[in-house]
Amino acid sequence: QVQLVQSGAEVKTPGASVKVSCKASGYIFTSYRISWVRQAPGQGLEWMGEISGDNGKADSAQKFQDRVTMTTDTSTRTVYLELRSLRSDDTAVYYCARNRASFYFDYWGQGTPVTVSS
Amino acid sequence: QSVLTQPPSVSAAPGQTVNISCSGIRSNYVSWYQQFPGTAPQLLIYENHKRPSGIPDRFSGSKSDTSATLVISGLQTGDEADYFCGTWDPSLRARIFGGGTKLSVL
Repeated sequence: QVQLVQSGAEVKTPGASVKVSCKASGYIFTSYRISWVRQAPGQGLEWMGEISGDNGKADSAQKFQDRVTMTTDTSTRTVYLELRSLRSDDTAVYYCARNRASFYFDYWGQGTPVTVSS
Repeated sequence: QSVLTQPPSVSAAPGQTVNISCSGIRSNYVSWYQQFPGTAPQLLIYENHKRPSGIPDRFSGSKSDTSATLVISGLQTGDEADYFCGTWDPSLRARIFGGGTKLSVL
C-alpha cells in the first residue's frame, strides 16, 4: 500500500532553516510528483511547491521561491523540503502529498509540525 | 485569503443532507478533502465527481462552470470535520485550496 512517512516535529528559532523529509513506499517512486502543503494553526491548506520523483525538477509557489528548496533521493525514495529564513508565521504543520494528473492529491503524509519561536 | 471561496461553516441534523460550495475554479477539475482535527487531509472526491475506493456514496460532487458542490447525504456525527476544495489555477500556475468549511452535525 502507498505510504508517505514524514520526519518528526521541529522547533526552530527565527532566521534558522528547517529540513523536513517524506519517505515514500508502495508505488513506483519515479512515476509521480510530490507536493508540499502547509497548514498554519486553525488555518487552511497552502500549496508550497512540488517535485518530480523522476528527474528532481521542482516548481515552487511564487510566495516561497526565494526561501524553499525541494530535493529527492531516489536511492532512499525520500523527498525533502528545506525552508530558510524562518519566521514566526512559518509555524505550521507541513504535509507531503502525492500528485495525480488531474490536480488532486491521493495520498498524504502524516504531517510534520514546525514551530518557529524565539 | 484563499483563492477559492467556501462557506466557513455549515450545519445540519443527523440524517439530513448538506451542500458545501466552492467558487472561483478556473480549471476543468476540482477535488475535495476531508480533515479531522489533528490528522492529515484525506481525498474524498476527485475529477469533480469521482470517489476513491472506500469513500461511501453518501459523498458526491459536481462542478458547473467556475463553481463546485460537495453533497453529503444521510449525515452522521462521524462526518463532523473540515472540508476543503482544491484545484489548479492556470494564471497563478499554482495548486490552490478553498479556505475550508467546518461541518457540524447537530
